[in-house]
Amino acid sequence: GAGVSQSPSNKVTEKGKDVELRCDPISGHTALYWYRQSLGQGLEFLIYFQGNSAPDKSGLPSDRFSAERTGGSVSTLTIQRTQQEDSAVYLCASSRRTGGYGYTFGSGTRLTVV
Amino acid sequence: AQTVTQSQPEMSVQEAETVTLSCTYDTSESDYYLFWYKQPPSRQMILVIRQEAYKQQNATENRFSVNFQKAAKSFSLKISDSQLGDAAMYFCAYRSTNAGGTSYGKLTFGQGTILTVHP
Repeated sequence: GAGVSQSPSNKVTEKGKDVELRCDPISGHTALYWYRQSLGQGLEFLIYFQGNSAPDKSGLPSDRFSAERTGGSVSTLTIQRTQQEDSAVYLCASSRRTGGYGYTFGSGTRLTVV
Repeated sequence: AQTVTQSQPEMSVQEAETVTLSCTYDTSESDYYLFWYKQPPSRQMILVIRQEAYKQQNATENRFSVNFQKAAKSFSLKISDSQLGDAAMYFCAYRSTNAGGTSYGKLTFGQGTILTVHP
């Protein structure tokens, strides 16, 4: 597609429920990144995919967080047993494999855990 | 690990005036990329300008320019002729070029600076 698409745009969930956040990168972009932005904070790295593999998942905050990417395209970030501290904007970005020119970001999913 | 610091939580400028946003970083690497991103209320991060550390010349993009001081590990953004549309949160970011390092592929961001433009 023309840009990085994320869905849903907003999600309200009850504490303890599982949620799935989706990212559809730019066609042909082999690298995909997930970041989390808490209110008034900078962006915190979560995980990075090159193709379908994740060379760096060091930023996942707990084992309740997982992500996968299939077909070298769409990625899903899953948060199990959501907690209130998981409330944040989750941003996805993609880049060409050798891109050093920065990434193209999506508009994010605002997750609110009540 | 690399760190990026933006010491100005908020800045303001009059329309048509010039403003400079500060950014410092810490790294032991000699080659890397630095970026400034703009985040309007729409949440989408927009690349403003980038700098490759091996290039001594400061990057410029229209009204946006940087002052890159490698020895001082400083990377400030100057916005000239400020416009109302420049109002946003601005983030400084670092990316390693070391393909064998654990940090390769990810951006490390500062905490951001909220820029307000007064008419």
